[in-house]
Amino acid sequence: QKEVEQDPGPLSVPEGAIVSLNCTYSNSAFQYFMWYRQYSRKGPELLMYTYSSGNKEDGRFTAQVDKSSKYISLFIRDSQPSDSATYLCAMSARDDKIIFGKGTRLHILP
Amino acid sequence: DSGVTQTPKHLITATGQRVTLRCSPRSGDLSVYWYQQSLDQGLQFLIQYYNGEERAKGNILERFSAQQFPDLHSELNLSSLELGDSALYFCASSPRQEGTQYFGPGTRLTVL
Repeated sequence: QKEVEQDPGPLSVPEGAIVSLNCTYSNSAFQYFMWYRQYSRKGPELLMYTYSSGNKEDGRFTAQVDKSSKYISLFIRDSQPSDSATYLCAMSARDDKIIFGKGTRLHILP
Repeated sequence: DSGVTQTPKHLITATGQRVTLRCSPRSGDLSVYWYQQSLDQGLQFLIQYYNGEERAKGNILERFSAQQFPDLHSELNLSSLELGDSALYFCASSPRQEGTQYFGPGTRLTVL
């Protein structure tokens, strides 16, 4: 079983819809969780950073962590065509390297 | 703009050759990470340096090596290049030994 699993997509949704992106993981020691956005031919850009379980909201973005289920989610409200990108989840244990998911390609249709 | 710079942006070379990729971290960041990203493998961690010392190693081939200099910039050396080494190579930096990483724009390497 891979440490981090993420559906590669592509996921296509109409503009204005709520988008849900998810990752599952197997290492119960993970306690730092991140979401990165990567536009085509660009470097990944940090979107959200959360520690342990719970929700974190930043504008149209909400990150959720459920450590009991080893499941994390990123919700995008009022999705825009500019949100079209690849979204990578990432996580790490304390004092350890970050493990990235392979990314989900998201297309927002105007 | 993350503050991390990488040169060159593009590199085209032939099999068997050697290339050097350069990375300058964000001001004040002590850790530098190198990643390889290909279409089928996703983002693969290669190696991390912290304040000049190697701290962690990932899936780095023996043909690849890296170092971090006293001014904290880092170089990734790729030798005896093969077609399969064609990929995007990203550098990231962070203030401490672990934690949030900030990525550079990447170097696209094409091996012909």
